[in-house]
Amino acid sequence: AQSVTQPDIHITVSEGASLELRCNYSYGATPYLFWYVQSPGQGLQLLLKYFSGDTLVQGIKGFEAEFKRSQSSFNLRKPSVHWSDAAEYFCAVGMDTGRRALTFGSGTRLQVQP
Amino acid sequence: KAGVTQTPRYLIKTRGQQVTLSCSPISGHRSVSWYQQTPGQGLQFLFEYFSETQRNKGNFPGRFSGRQFSNSRSEMNVSTLELGDSALYLCASSPDLGAGELFFGEGSRLTVL
Repeated sequence: AQSVTQPDIHITVSEGASLELRCNYSYGATPYLFWYVQSPGQGLQLLLKYFSGDTLVQGIKGFEAEFKRSQSSFNLRKPSVHWSDAAEYFCAVGMDTGRRALTFGSGTRLQVQP
Repeated sequence: KAGVTQTPRYLIKTRGQQVTLSCSPISGHRSVSWYQQTPGQGLQFLFEYFSETQRNKGNFPGRFSGRQFSNSRSEMNVSTLELGDSALYLCASSPDLGAGELFFGEGSRLTVL
């Protein structure tokens, strides 16, 4: 069965600093990988996705992520964090079959200091 | 284009009662999935519907059920509520089956007393 690990439960960064959120997955075949963001009391918004091709993917709000098959990782990065980026971030993996169920990591809560 | 709409947004029930939550997908989307989000278990897949048929089901007891209508709107029902059913229930839609992104609603927050 597939699984996703987000080792950092909580991260605090200063506004303007760079950010990297870690995500490791376990899946036997080629995974479909996603990063979602959730603000308090809200649903999930897709930041970016990887299906195939270029391993560096660009998303919304200035986020990017790099798929590294050898490390089973899909880390999320942003060069300069804004206060509005404070939220919870979820990495998710899906299967390359007709089934749509996503397996989510436990999330990383990002706090941004002024 | 309107997003995924879930109703009600908040509700409070007591143990033993049952609850029905509704989800209207994005226009043109035919697949609807449901997820439960709790602080302890995180985001867990409940089930997925496509063309009025349940295509996939997560590891939840039979008290959790759902259905999809011909207009792709979906409902989920939880019977005999337990305290542990308190959660944010998220609905997500997508154009069809197969790989692709999910578009989530804002959720229905259920509190069981």
